[in-house]
Amino acid sequence: QKEVEQNSGPLSVPEGAIASLNCTYSDRGSQSFFWYRQYSGKSPELIMFIYSNGDKEDGRFTAQLNKASQYVSLLIRDSQPSDSATYLCAVQGGKLIFGQGTELSVKP
Amino acid sequence: GAGVSQSPSNKVTEKGKDVELRCDPISGHTALYWYRQSLGQGLEFLIYFQGNSAPDKSGLPSDRFSAERTGGSVSTLTIQRTQQEDSAVYLCASSPPGTGLNTEAFFGQGTRLTVV
Repeated sequence: QKEVEQNSGPLSVPEGAIASLNCTYSDRGSQSFFWYRQYSGKSPELIMFIYSNGDKEDGRFTAQLNKASQYVSLLIRDSQPSDSATYLCAVQGGKLIFGQGTELSVKP
Repeated sequence: GAGVSQSPSNKVTEKGKDVELRCDPISGHTALYWYRQSLGQGLEFLIYFQGNSAPDKSGLPSDRFSAERTGGSVSTLTIQRTQQEDSAVYLCASSPPGTGLNTEAFFGQGTRLTVV
């Protein structure tokens, strides 16, 4: 079992729709959870972090964490073509472990 | 510099040769990570340095891979006797000190390694 798993992509949504990205992790001792965005040929950049159960909102982005289910998600509201990228879930309990990423395509 | 700096940006080497990849983290950052990213894949964890603690080497794929961090700053990832499957982008990241929670990792631009 991989330490961090993301739903397989690619995920395609129309412009203006909600994109939902999911991630599960195996280490119950994990403390912090991150979502990074990576454009093709570029390095990852942080979108959001969350460490408490529940929702955390930042503009069009909402991160959700459920430690009992070992599940973290990212919702992108009003998706824009510029959101098209690979989204990486990362989990930290000491070292920082990434999932394999989900490619998101937002169609105009 | 203001960000994480990696060198070289591109490296082409012959199979069997040794290579060294360098990472210069953001000043004051105590944590440093190395990852490998093959084409179309996620980030594969290689090694993690945190301050003066013993590094977490659990991700190194074989004994051909090693890394060191001198003076708590610059890090070098060494790959001995390179193989074609070592071809990938090698990414370095650093993060600031703190409680360990909510510490954003900042990435360098990566080194693209091609083994021919």
